[in-house]
Amino acid sequence: ETGVTQTPRHLVMGMTNKKSLKCEQHLGHNAMYWYKQSAKKPLELMFVYSLEERVENNSVPSRFSPECPNSSHLFLHLHTLQPEDSALYLCASSQQIRTGKNSPLHFGNGTRLTVT
Amino acid sequence: GENVEQHPSTLSVQEGDSAVIKCTYSDSASNYFPWYKQELGKGPQLIIDIRSNVGEKKDQRIAVTLNKTAKHFSLHITETQPEDSAVYFCAASDTVFGANNLFFGTGTRLTVIP
Repeated sequence: ETGVTQTPRHLVMGMTNKKSLKCEQHLGHNAMYWYKQSAKKPLELMFVYSLEERVENNSVPSRFSPECPNSSHLFLHLHTLQPEDSALYLCASSQQIRTGKNSPLHFGNGTRLTVT
Repeated sequence: GENVEQHPSTLSVQEGDSAVIKCTYSDSASNYFPWYKQELGKGPQLIIDIRSNVGEKKDQRIAVTLNKTAKHFSLHITETQPEDSAVYFCAASDTVFGANNLFFGTGTRLTVIP
């Protein structure tokens, strides 16, 4: 048990569908992240919610929309995806301090997304 | 931005031998260097990390070394066991808005042969 739970574990969706990925952390952390993991590429940071601030990676297409209703829950809303969006989507959390000291990321086990 | 390179991409060792994975980074402002292990069907798990004010850190069979001047850091696993087989990722980080901004390497698939 990692303390970060992602659902669903697997998702197959068509290009016209709308779906959402869910992440919940039970570690009392105050920052949450979405990462994309594709084969033979480094993990790509998509979005960060930290200390109630949202930090975006400007290269993420608008068909991905994050939502963070509170410090324990994070969603990634998906719509009109492309086949190249097929990947493992990982959620992570950490405890951040305003002075900027890094703390370890704790990852969930991911959602394997296939876009057909 | 930061660029992290990791080598080798695959590594096979006999059980009991040592394994070494090397990473380089480009941004001298990076100050935090974690290593993650990812087993099949699971997310990455932190196994060891080092901050820029330290040159070496050990935890049982795992050690990490950091050379800030050369901008490289390495993971050393001694007395390898079959359960060490996994994909290992290095990463480098500065801080952005108080949050981690980790840049990952492309991973090393380690196979420990019984």
